[in-house]
Amino acid sequence: NAGVTQTPKFQVLKTGQSMTLQCAQDMNHNSMYWYRQDPGMGLRLIYYSASEGTTDKGEVPNGYNVSRLNKREFSLRLESAAPSQTSVYFCASSESPGTANYGYTFGSGTRLTVV
Amino acid sequence: AQKITQTQPGMFVQEKEAVTLDCTYDTSDPSYGLFWYKQPSSGEMIFLIYQGSYDQQNATEGRYSLNFQKARKSANLVISASQLGDSAMYFCAMRESVYGGSQGNLIFGKGTKLSVKP
Repeated sequence: NAGVTQTPKFQVLKTGQSMTLQCAQDMNHNSMYWYRQDPGMGLRLIYYSASEGTTDKGEVPNGYNVSRLNKREFSLRLESAAPSQTSVYFCASSESPGTANYGYTFGSGTRLTVV
Repeated sequence: AQKITQTQPGMFVQEKEAVTLDCTYDTSDPSYGLFWYKQPSSGEMIFLIYQGSYDQQNATEGRYSLNFQKARKSANLVISASQLGDSAMYFCAMRESVYGGSQGNLIFGKGTKLSVKP
């Protein structure tokens, strides 16, 4: 089925370990996003890529890096995981943000626990 | 400043009754879009309904309707004839146009947890 695919679905890390969350979309969307969801906080934007070859910081970028590998793939890397990064991570994609009437398609999420 | 405000952390509704979930927003951009997403306990984000700032009529999608009051900057979600499967977290979100200087990203409220009672 067409959509956004995130891997892994679950992950437990020790403090200081690194990992990369993978995201791929097959809808030919230009823009891709990484959000984190914490209880009572809604979804907060970590990084986004408006188009292939560009990335920009969102609301909560500290402790993360991203790579827009090609039009389909957008990865999120935690270089040295901290307990504060325990969260549910969502990848999303959309048409270009030129107009406001395009919503996002979300992946199924990655539940990350840092101990 | 918070751009999307959902003032109801949790709500209960009786099965088959209607329920309104509140959402207010803040923007100076004349062109924007308002969205509602549902997140059931399984965790996925499901798009429900969209309202454009220039749309003259309130959006409807099946049992979902959006009560759009532009002057009051509110975009409340109305669910008619609630079902047990409507129990979920509901998020209101806004996207501004990049032509107004915004990054054009989707900004979310903190959500309302709806519980439908049998």
